[in-house]
Amino acid sequence: RKEVEQDPGPFNVPEGATVAFNCTYSNSASQSFFWYRQDCRKEPKLLMSVYSSGNEDGRFTAQLNRASQYISLLIRDSKLSDSATYLCVVPGRNTGFQKLVFGTGTRLLVSP
Amino acid sequence: DAGVTQSPTHLIKTRGQQVTLRCSPKSGHDTVSWYQQALGQGPQFIFQYYEEEERQRGNFPDRFSGHQFPNYSSELNVNALLLGDSALYLCASSLGVSSGANVLTFGAGSRLTVL
Repeated sequence: RKEVEQDPGPFNVPEGATVAFNCTYSNSASQSFFWYRQDCRKEPKLLMSVYSSGNEDGRFTAQLNRASQYISLLIRDSKLSDSATYLCVVPGRNTGFQKLVFGTGTRLLVSP
Repeated sequence: DAGVTQSPTHLIKTRGQQVTLRCSPKSGHDTVSWYQQALGQGPQFIFQYYEEEERQRGNFPDRFSGHQFPNYSSELNVNALLLGDSALYLCASSLGVSSGANVLTFGAGSRLTVL
């Protein structure tokens, strides 16, 4: 099983819609998780950190389900500017925090 | 406050050649990690440098090597280039290797094309 898996999408949604992405991970010992956002041909940028059950920042909510080993990202009231690839990130197995493993990313396209 | 800077931004090489990519970390950061991102894929961890030593290494051959200097800047070297080495190479900096060190700040990357 891969250390982290994401649905590559693309997810096509209209402006104002609510959209959610899931990410599954294999390392049950992981304590922290991250969502990064990457715009086309740009570098990834940290969107949210998830250290316990979840985290909320404005229109963005990240939730953690340890029993099923997945994290989710919910985006409410989608904006055109939310169009990007969303990368799920977990610490590497047996490496502590020194190695972060990125998923392949989920592409979101928000249309007018 | 300067972020992570990488050079060159773009470069083209031919198979068998060698390449050196450079990275200056964000001010105040002392740890540098290198990632390779192929088209349509997520970044893949190459290695991490802290206190001028390689601390962790991903699943990359010995053709990939690196160095960290006393000023925390870093270089990534790739020898005997293959077509499959064509990718965006991302440098990310962070502070230390403790539990708070896993928030990465990325540079804009060096896009390598191997012909």
